[in-house]
Amino acid sequence: DVKVTQSSRYLVKRTGEKVFLECVQDMDHENMFWYRQDPGLGLRLIYFSYDVKMKEKGDIPEGYSVSREKKERFSLILESASTNQTSMYLCASRPGHSNQPQHFGDGTRLSIL
Amino acid sequence: AQSVTQPDIHITVSEGASLELRCNYSYGATPYLFWYVQSPGQGLQLLLKYFSGDTLVQGIKGFEAEFKRSQSSFNLRKPSVHWSDAAEYFCAVGPRGGSYIPTFGRGTSLIVHP
Repeated sequence: DVKVTQSSRYLVKRTGEKVFLECVQDMDHENMFWYRQDPGLGLRLIYFSYDVKMKEKGDIPEGYSVSREKKERFSLILESASTNQTSMYLCASRPGHSNQPQHFGDGTRLSIL
Repeated sequence: AQSVTQPDIHITVSEGASLELRCNYSYGATPYLFWYVQSPGQGLQLLLKYFSGDTLVQGIKGFEAEFKRSQSSFNLRKPSVHWSDAAEYFCAVGPRGGSYIPTFGRGTSLIVHP
């Protein structure tokens, strides 16, 4: 079974801090994704990586950056955290450029105070 | 541009009753369609997918969905709901562009009464 592991289930940070959310997958998937989930808004794509060191902006990239130095790890970075970035963050992975379904981690609930 | 609409934000059913969750999409060609379920505090889990072929698709946990091209719909059904089915359900349609990025609906929250 594919396992997508997000490093923290809950995280509390302060405004202005630089925040790192980590995601690791164990199935050698090329594609990895970061989503933000807010009530009533569903899943919104922040960034997508189709291979190591390759990335594309999603629908809401402002205030975020990503890093993919190794195939199995995809990091989301909040450069200077703000209260409007309080949310649930979901990581997903998927094989190749394909129509295959995504595999999701359990999410990180991030609170910015 | 592709889009997905889940018209019902919340649905309440009694345990043992049948269930249908609606999903309508807008897409220029034959889409790839998915239903995912998210239990409280969990990530999304794939229930079923449609790529081509038989328009009635069977999934896990006793769910099925039917692709109706003429209605641009992919509704999820279950004949008898269990209390453990209470969760958030997301419909997704792909691909978007060459990267095959799916578009998700806003979700339907299922409440099950005993």
